[in-house]
Amino acid sequence: GAVVSQHPSRVICKSGTSVKIECRSLDFQATTMFWYRQFPKQSLMLMATSNEGSKATYEQGVEKDKFLINHASLTLSTLTVTSAHPEDSSFYICSATRDRGYEQYFGPGTRLTVT
Amino acid sequence: EDKVVQSPLSLVVHEGDTVTLNCSYEVTNFRSLLWYKQEKKAPTFLFMLTSSGIEKKSGRLSSILDKKELFSILNITATQTGDSAVYLCAGTNAGGTSYGKLTFGQGTILTVHP
Repeated sequence: GAVVSQHPSRVICKSGTSVKIECRSLDFQATTMFWYRQFPKQSLMLMATSNEGSKATYEQGVEKDKFLINHASLTLSTLTVTSAHPEDSSFYICSATRDRGYEQYFGPGTRLTVT
Repeated sequence: EDKVVQSPLSLVVHEGDTVTLNCSYEVTNFRSLLWYKQEKKAPTFLFMLTSSGIEKKSGRLSSILDKKELFSILNITATQTGDSAVYLCAGTNAGGTSYGKLTFGQGTILTVHP
């Protein structure tokens, strides 16, 4: 149990376009999903916390208009990188938890490259 | 601001060696300490520790938490090349809007040579 999927696993897009990344909990209902980004040789940095049916909570320094998060159901959250630029190129990872404060299960990540 | 520090940042050993990875934390409203193993993709869950002094064990891996000293260790005995990975620890905040938020350490890069 506790499987989280992400789609796509890898995406290359042109500067100025938008990219949507999906995060799904496959065998459990996730009340909360988290979105992280990870630069090479660095640790995971939390971008935002999303709860089903409510607005996401963004970490300081993360632009909410640039990184749109939608948690439409208990098994799906999406992250849309709007008007992507090369500096947005990174590894984006989501995690899901049955209940906040308990273990988070991570998706396989999405490698975004903006050219 | 919550902070998690891991040491060493990298470690190179030979198969069969035993390693100890360290994690110290300063997390407001601390709830739990988690260990993850990250290979090429996203982290896989190893342990969650909430109580001080109780060792959690899974095969050759074990971990313990000291809530007085704000410290945790991850031990790996009889290391194998498949243990080569980045090991991440993270503290969970149990307060208010930060409830459930994980703050990660920098990670320890473990390399096990045959």
